[in-house]
Amino acid sequence: EVQLVESGGGLVQPGGSLKLSCAASGFTFSGSAMHWVRQASGKGLEWVGRIRSNANSYATGYAASVKGRFTISRDDSKNTAFLQMNSLKTEDTAVYYCTRLGVGATNFQHWGQGTLVTVSS
Amino acid sequence: QSALTQPASVSGSPGQSITISCTGTSSDVGGYNYVSWYQQHPGKAPKLMIYDVSNRPSGVPDRFSGSKSGNTASLTISGLQAEDEADYYCSSYTSSSTPWVFGGGTKLTVL
Repeated sequence: EVQLVESGGGLVQPGGSLKLSCAASGFTFSGSAMHWVRQASGKGLEWVGRIRSNANSYATGYAASVKGRFTISRDDSKNTAFLQMNSLKTEDTAVYYCTRLGVGATNFQHWGQGTLVTVSS
Repeated sequence: QSALTQPASVSGSPGQSITISCTGTSSDVGGYNYVSWYQQHPGKAPKLMIYDVSNRPSGVPDRFSGSKSGNTASLTISGLQAEDEADYYCSSYTSSSTPWVFGGGTKLTVL
């Protein structure tokens, strides 16, 4: 069974930094791209970014709203993906989900439980 | 403002059918058969209900079906049940710099 468990959320001041982790199990982590999706309270879902596998040179991609401020990385030896968030803004306040694509790599089949990030002074 | 447009809310009585629309452009919904639908109950993570426009993952009841015409995709739920009350989001692959876009979500109320 695929399991994704996020951690690292919390309260941070505007301009601050936070690093989220996503511990994965139940599948071959090293061969999978990993994505992050966020959801502000009462709002819709927003794709944040992704990191591909070693076979695809660990290529990363980001939404325009976070590009240059957020960095996705991974440690295949620990089956863990990370989301480093710098220069945080109040509008980054959201639940952050770690996700993995499903059949055909065209959909988000597997989701973690999410971790809440609150950016406030 | 979300990239894909969904109605804010829909409602139906138990046993009835409802349809939720998801309108995009030729760069996303209309250009690819990679539309997916997600169900989200309060405080829970989204759950994949439909992928590639009309395919159901294992375990999803066949009361849920999907379709697409031009730039608009649709999710139909037949034989509404109380547990179907949730928020529903559509998503599509896109040719833009952001490869995945979502709709703003539709709140389904089972009367």
